[in-house]
Amino acid sequence: DAGVIQSPRHEVTEMGQEVTLRCKPISGHNSLFWYRQTMMRGLELLIYFNNNVPIDDSGMPEDRFSAKMPNASFSTLKIQPSEPRDSAVYFCASSLLAGTLSSYNEQFFGPGTRLTVL
Amino acid sequence: AQKVTQAQTEISVVEKEDVTLDCVYETRDTTYYLFWYKQPPSGELVFLIRRNSFDEQNEISGRYSWNFQKSTSSFNFTITASQVVDSAVYFCALSTSGTYKYIFGTGTRLKVLA
Repeated sequence: DAGVIQSPRHEVTEMGQEVTLRCKPISGHNSLFWYRQTMMRGLELLIYFNNNVPIDDSGMPEDRFSAKMPNASFSTLKIQPSEPRDSAVYFCASSLLAGTLSSYNEQFFGPGTRLTVL
Repeated sequence: AQKVTQAQTEISVVEKEDVTLDCVYETRDTTYYLFWYKQPPSGELVFLIRRNSFDEQNEISGRYSWNFQKSTSSFNFTITASQVVDSAVYFCALSTSGTYKYIFGTGTRLKVLA
């Protein structure tokens, strides 16, 4: 079975440009997570979707960040305008959770998108 | 408060040595879940194991074994006869009942030298 798919794997852009990161979760999973990983802050949860509905976006840094999940097989994370401090690896993960607040099942991570904002 | 501590920032061993990665967690919840993930140099996060708070049995999977001790709030990971391919950053994570959120430790970088 295919795992979580993310694209692009690498993105280099200039400050002020719009960046869109894409994620295809594992088929049958009902929950999707976007994380950011930096050396300074480690792994941070940005937003969590359950059954395509955003449940918790408290980790989204600011209004420049937005995420959508139009259907069960696709999600995007957009940064507009991008800034150098957004440079990080962005991971998408999916899971099959029993409920909105279930923590039982493990999350499966995609390969990540390494974003560099110049 | 919930917290995961991986006190070992980096460990270097020679191939074929055994190595143990420590994980200490804090939570007041009685139902919780612990996880280990591996992040090899290629960058992806690979799920290794999940353990719930009611199951203190140790687990062995090939060269990997996990020792869960509620008395010391620890969930340690041992690699037997380490190999160069085991070189990676290993993360321990905690999730408590009633929340989907993972609390990750800061990771332990393992270097296995040939």
